[in-house]
Amino acid sequence: SAVISQKPSRDICQRGTSLTIQCQVDSQVTMMFWYRQQPGQSLTLIATANQGSEATYESGFVIDKFPISRPNLTFSTLTVSNMSPEDSSIYLCSVESGGSFTEQYFGPGTRLTVT
Amino acid sequence: GNSVTQMEGPVTLSEEAFLTINCTYTATGYPSLFWYVQYPGEGLQLLLKATKADDKGSNKGFEATYRKETTSFHLEKGSVQVSDSAVYFCALGNNDMRFGAGTRLTVKP
Repeated sequence: SAVISQKPSRDICQRGTSLTIQCQVDSQVTMMFWYRQQPGQSLTLIATANQGSEATYESGFVIDKFPISRPNLTFSTLTVSNMSPEDSSIYLCSVESGGSFTEQYFGPGTRLTVT
Repeated sequence: GNSVTQMEGPVTLSEEAFLTINCTYTATGYPSLFWYVQYPGEGLQLLLKATKADDKGSNKGFEATYRKETTSFHLEKGSVQVSDSAVYFCALGNNDMRFGAGTRLTVKP
């Protein structure tokens, strides 16, 4: 298993500003994932981040709004840019255990409220 | 494409009651199936998994059997506790991960 930490755990931000969320893993992993969980909803995959390459975004998510960095095998950041109240969600990072989608381990999440 | 349909809640039970949360899936090939649990204020934790037909995943008294003939992976527990109150997500892994909508379980003493 992997132990994943996220910073910040929660934040309240004003519309129009940006927030960068950090995700740290206690072991080296190839693939990291960023999800959004809107209030009372399931998880929606934002993008997949591989070290050394550009992140792959899912339909409905774009790099200008959610830029992602993956500087090494244990760390990634997600920025939520030019925020609006609709961006209020929990943002979760996850990693694979090894092998193609056998299972994922999740961080505790970042609860974002945009006012 | 791949998708997961799970019983929507909320579900409210008394302590020691029997729990079933239904989950069915659509997929090509041979997906892996998972149940994740999200306790209040926390991230998702893997509860159990099954990687092939007829496999039974189990953990903490919860069980689910991978039924290919009915494309189902229902979660069951014989006697729930207050501490089981959480949101439960069924998920499918098959080239990507798909999550169900989640079922909120509340167990009352």
